[in-house]
Amino acid sequence: AQTVTQSQPEMSVQEAETVTLSCTYDTSENNYYLFWYKQPPSRQMILVIRQEAYKQQNATENRFSVNFQKAAKSFSLKISDSQLGDTAMYFCAFMKHYNQGGKLIFGQGTELSVKP
Amino acid sequence: ETGVTQTPRHLVMGMTNKKSLKCEQHLGHNAMYWYKQSAKKPLELMFVYSLEERVENNSVPSRFSPECPNSSHLFLHLHTLQPEDSALYLCASSQDWNRGRVSSYNEQFFGPGTRLTVL
Repeated sequence: AQTVTQSQPEMSVQEAETVTLSCTYDTSENNYYLFWYKQPPSRQMILVIRQEAYKQQNATENRFSVNFQKAAKSFSLKISDSQLGDTAMYFCAFMKHYNQGGKLIFGQGTELSVKP
Repeated sequence: ETGVTQTPRHLVMGMTNKKSLKCEQHLGHNAMYWYKQSAKKPLELMFVYSLEERVENNSVPSRFSPECPNSSHLFLHLHTLQPEDSALYLCASSQDWNRGRVSSYNEQFFGPGTRLTVL
């Protein structure tokens, strides 16, 4: 069975600074997807960034980038130039590549506060 | 309305009540999901429907009963719940995942959730 672990329940960062959220996972699969989701206080969960395990290049989306270390089963999220609107819960998630039932496995979440 | 909507946004019910949660997606998707989000715990997948057929029931107690009358609507019927069922219930939708074949990734879009409190 797959598991996803986020070891940082809470983090804070000053506006305009950079913060890194950690995620580790456990799987015996070789092909899979990894995701970071953001859930602001309004509660609508949105996808921030996605990484395919077969791609060596780290995914980037504007101020968001990941550090994907497949051998170490590590998938961290870096937020550059943090903004107040980045304040939210962030969830790391895993999905098998040969998808059966669209099953996302989530971590416990990291609550990020961006301070002015 | 756009995206995925859920009603009601907040619900308080007694253990003997019967209530239903509603989810509607306006994205043209044909797969829908129910998740449970409890405090300090990861999101748990409860049910998955593809083309109105249930394809996943993740060991959910029978006091939760899903219904998917068409590809745009998903319900969660609640009956004789327990206080530990209090949680945020999230609905999501996506394109189908090409069951039985090599699939491509289909992003799941989430609704805002229903905050359920069982007294």
